[in-house]
Amino acid sequence: GEEVAQTPKHLVRGEGQKAKLYCAPIKGHSYVFWYQQVLKNEFKFLISFQNENVFDETGMPKERFSAKCLPNSPCSLEIQATKLEDSAVYFCASSDTGGPLNTEAFFGQGTRLTVV
Amino acid sequence: GQNIDQPTEMTATEGAIVQINCTYQTSGFNGLFWYQQHAGEAPTFLSYNVLDGLEEKGRFSSFLSRSKGYSYLLLKELQMKDSASYLCAVRDRARGFKTIFGAGTRLFVKA
Repeated sequence: GEEVAQTPKHLVRGEGQKAKLYCAPIKGHSYVFWYQQVLKNEFKFLISFQNENVFDETGMPKERFSAKCLPNSPCSLEIQATKLEDSAVYFCASSDTGGPLNTEAFFGQGTRLTVV
Repeated sequence: GQNIDQPTEMTATEGAIVQINCTYQTSGFNGLFWYQQHAGEAPTFLSYNVLDGLEEKGRFSSFLSRSKGYSYLLLKELQMKDSASYLCAVRDRARGFKTIFGAGTRLFVKA
């Protein structure tokens, strides 16, 4: 598609439940990035993919967070046993390069996760 | 480590000029971005600087000084619709070209 599509727009989960978020990057873009936006607009980098391979996962809380980008499927970000502090907007972005030539990443509309 | 600092909030008057500053510390600087984000929406790309100097794009300009670890976004002829958060982000080649965002500056434009 011509835009980064994230689903669902809103997700409410009880503490301890699983949450799964999806992202379809722009067609032709081989890099996908996940960010967590908490209060005051602070963005936290979580993970990036080059096609289906993890490119950089230094931001991922590995105990409960996992992510995949499989061929011919939307990318996904899964949170096992959600906690209250996981409440945030999760943005996915895609770009056609991840290296020096990348001058712009296109963002999806985000998924607002509320853990109650 | 990597730190990006920008003011939390700014207020300016319609028709005026405002400058939003950003300072950063990075071990492998590979470009600085400015994004605009309206409340509840996705950030949209405004500008990209990798060399020192000023990049102008209509009412918006962005400046970079790599030696000082400093950038600013300049908005001219402010309009009410410019009320938004402005995010400074730095890409670091020492960290796999990851782009790290600052906390953003909330700009309020008043009549």
